[in-house]
This record gives sequence, structure tokens and C-alpha cells, in this order.
Amino acid sequence: DAGVIQSPRHEVTEMGQEVTLRCKPISGHNSLFWYRQTMMRGLELLIYFNNNVPIDDSGMPEDRFSAKMPNASFSTLKIQPSEPRDSAVYFCASSSTSGRHDTQYFGPGTRLTVL
Amino acid sequence: RKEVEQDPGPFNVPEGATVAFNCTYSNSASQSFFWYRQDCRKEPKLLMSVYSSGNEDGRFTAQLNRASQYISLLIRDSKLSDSATYLCVVNNPNTNAGKSTFGDGTTLTVKP
Repeated sequence: DAGVIQSPRHEVTEMGQEVTLRCKPISGHNSLFWYRQTMMRGLELLIYFNNNVPIDDSGMPEDRFSAKMPNASFSTLKIQPSEPRDSAVYFCASSSTSGRHDTQYFGPGTRLTVL
Repeated sequence: RKEVEQDPGPFNVPEGATVAFNCTYSNSASQSFFWYRQDCRKEPKLLMSVYSSGNEDGRFTAQLNRASQYISLLIRDSKLSDSATYLCVVNNPNTNAGKSTFGDGTTLTVKP
């Protein structure tokens, strides 16, 4: 089975540019999560979807961040315009809420550097 | 107060040592508990779930104390390959559709 797939794995961009991160969850999973991880702040939940619907976006830093999940197999996280403080590793994770234990499976992450 | 709290460490132990990590959580309605492991520059991966009766997987033992609202992870006969950050995860599936709360992690370094 393929795990969670994220692209790109690395992204280097200049301040002010638009950045789009992509995620394909594990087939059959109905919850999808976007996290950001930095040394200073640890692992932060940005937003999560259940059955393609955003449930909690309270972790999204500001209006520059937006996320979509047009179907069960694809999600994007967009930053526009990007700033140097957005530099971090962005993880996508998915889980199935049909079981008792909602284990999350993480993708390999996108390492974003904004110059 | 954070919803999930862990001692950040770092824990530096020699090979073969036994080391224990604790994690406390604030939401008494929490129902699912996990330990994840994260290697440097990698994604978090599930190490083990934590059940009310406690559970063991080889050298790893996880325990849950609902009354005191903490979970623990015990690593026996530690190996160099156990060096990683260990994340405590708490979930309440009834109130949040699959949302888990992660601790900030405890860093373990096992030395020769």
C-alpha cells in the first residue's frame, strides 16, 4: 500500500511568491490533516478535513494560508504571498475515523524555505 | 496549560539502559492514546497505541493511568537506533472527527 504522498519534497522560493503544497492521502482514509513543524514551535496542526469538509482551521496562521480538499484523494495547502517566517516542514497526514483508534499516518513532508 | 505535556529532555543514556518518558493530558474525556517516534528530518511514525490495561511490544512498554491522566513509555535495553524524538498523542474521537493532539516530544539520545 502506498502511504501518504506529498509533493514537492523540497521547495525554495522567494518572499512574495505563491507556494502550493500537495497531498494525496491513503486510499480509504476520510480524515486529512495539515501540520507545520519548526524547531521553535514544534508540530502545529493547521487545518483538518473530514470527508473533504474543513472541520477546524483555527490553526491556520493568517489569511495568507488557504487549504482545499476538492475530493477524497487530493488536498492542497497554499501560501500567498509567502514570507521567510513560513519556512518550515509541512506534513500532511491521514486517518480513518471508522475504527476505534484513529491512527494518523504522515507523509514525508515538504521542506519549505522562503528566502 | 498545554493539552498534552511532555518533558522535552534531552535524555542521554548509555546503550542497554532503561529509560522512561511520561506524558500528561488535560482533557479527561480523551479516549485514544499513542506514542509516535520521529527521527531527525523524518515524519512522525506510530510506535504503539496505549491501552487501558497497558501493552508491551518487545522492549517497549506503554501504560495509561486515567485517574492521574498520564501515559508512560518504558524502553528497556536501549539501542543506538532508539535515538529519536518520542511524541505523546491524545485523541478524543467523539468530539473531534479524528483530531489528535500531539505533545512537543521528548528527545532521546542513546550513546555507545
